[in-house]
Amino acid sequence: EPEVTQTPSHQVTQMGQEVILRCVPISNHLYFYWYRQILGQKVEFLVSFYNNEISEKSEIFDDQFSVERPDGSNFTLKIRSTKLEDSAMYFCASRAPGQGSTFFGQGTRLTVV
Amino acid sequence: GNSVTQMEGPVTLSEEAFLTINCTYTATGYPSLFWYVQYPGEGLQLLLKATKADDKGSNKGFEATYRKETTSFHLEKGSVQVSDSAVYFCALTGGFGNEKLTFGTGTRLTIIP
Repeated sequence: EPEVTQTPSHQVTQMGQEVILRCVPISNHLYFYWYRQILGQKVEFLVSFYNNEISEKSEIFDDQFSVERPDGSNFTLKIRSTKLEDSAMYFCASRAPGQGSTFFGQGTRLTVV
Repeated sequence: GNSVTQMEGPVTLSEEAFLTINCTYTATGYPSLFWYVQYPGEGLQLLLKATKADDKGSNKGFEATYRKETTSFHLEKGSVQVSDSAVYFCALTGGFGNEKLTFGTGTRLTIIP
């Protein structure tokens, strides 16, 4: 069964460093998303991406965040200068055109120290 | 804006007990409704969905009915198993082509043998 793949599963970084979280969405999907879940809290929408551009972003997704689809398969989330409060589980998700359901990856746990 | 209110947890039940996890929503337009499940150490998996009023979603013995009149989508299972122990998230997409997911806070379910 096709799945969304995220790497790495766990990333530890020092405050102020840049991190790139990587995702390979399901191959025939056209809509891509990043969500995050701070430990013990609800899952929050960060950004959606379609047709090589951001279609919507939340207030969490400030200038420190960026997304990119550098080739036909990868979808990345970059945090330019990490803060302690960026520590969370980051989920990549993708969806097929039409009324398809959204499928999530296993997540990358980001720990900022 | 859209929101999802979910039954507070944690919920602890004995094996073979009847399960109900309440979920109500606020949305404009014609939302689609979802239940996602997060097993320990894993990502989010779609459990079931309903896209219009009076639809019933079902999977793995779980059911939920889209009730527009009460703006609810309660999750039920007639006889739970230890393997159902997980965190359950109610979620919606807003319709009008807006397919980002808005999640509830999650309900942690523990089943005791």
